[in-house]
Amino acid sequence: GENVEQHPSTLSVQEGDSAVIKCTYSDSASNYFPWYKQELGKRPQLIIDIRSNVGEKKDQRIAVTLNKTAKHFSLHITETQPEDSAVYFCAAIPGGADGLTFGKGTHLIIQP
Amino acid sequence: DAGVTQSPTHLIKTRGQHVTLRCSPISGHKSVSWYQQVLGQGPQFIFQYYEKEERGRGNFPDRFSARQFPNYSSELNVNALLLGDSALYLCASSFAAGTYEQYFGPGTRLTVT
Repeated sequence: GENVEQHPSTLSVQEGDSAVIKCTYSDSASNYFPWYKQELGKRPQLIIDIRSNVGEKKDQRIAVTLNKTAKHFSLHITETQPEDSAVYFCAAIPGGADGLTFGKGTHLIIQP
Repeated sequence: DAGVTQSPTHLIKTRGQHVTLRCSPISGHKSVSWYQQVLGQGPQFIFQYYEKEERGRGNFPDRFSARQFPNYSSELNVNALLLGDSALYLCASSFAAGTYEQYFGPGTRLTVT
């Protein structure tokens, strides 16, 4: 089955700096890659997603890039703010399946 | 995602008991997926239902079962509870099965003692 690896497990950045979280996947047939933000005690919130026919997608301070050849995708957050502090999960839907396979998460800490 | 509702919010059960968790999807969505999230980990896929039929199943034992009703709400049932079943159970709503955005409910926190 699909395996999604996520790095780093913890990321601390200064407020205003950029943050990058990287994920790799194993199933070359995977075709949908969402990112979720989960604050403590709350539900995962979909923040951005990308499909396999697109290389990059941006939404204000958030962007996601996809390299199908290398089977990796990344989340980029610019001009980080204290409210960006949370756990971020990447995920993929394997080809022919319908459930999301998640990475183990990245705890993003924004230092004031 | 604010439209996905789950009940109950919290639940405490004893080993060996049975539990039923409920989920109502966003209005207009016809697919519901269930995930288990253990503390410190990403959610793990249990089931997906679309138009009342099972569309996908994760690597969970037969003690786990689910169904979807004509109004697209869903139930997750777990029999013969084990301590290791303690987790946050999340329901996700999507327009259809496949590569559609999935929006999560607030979850049910299950504690097995």
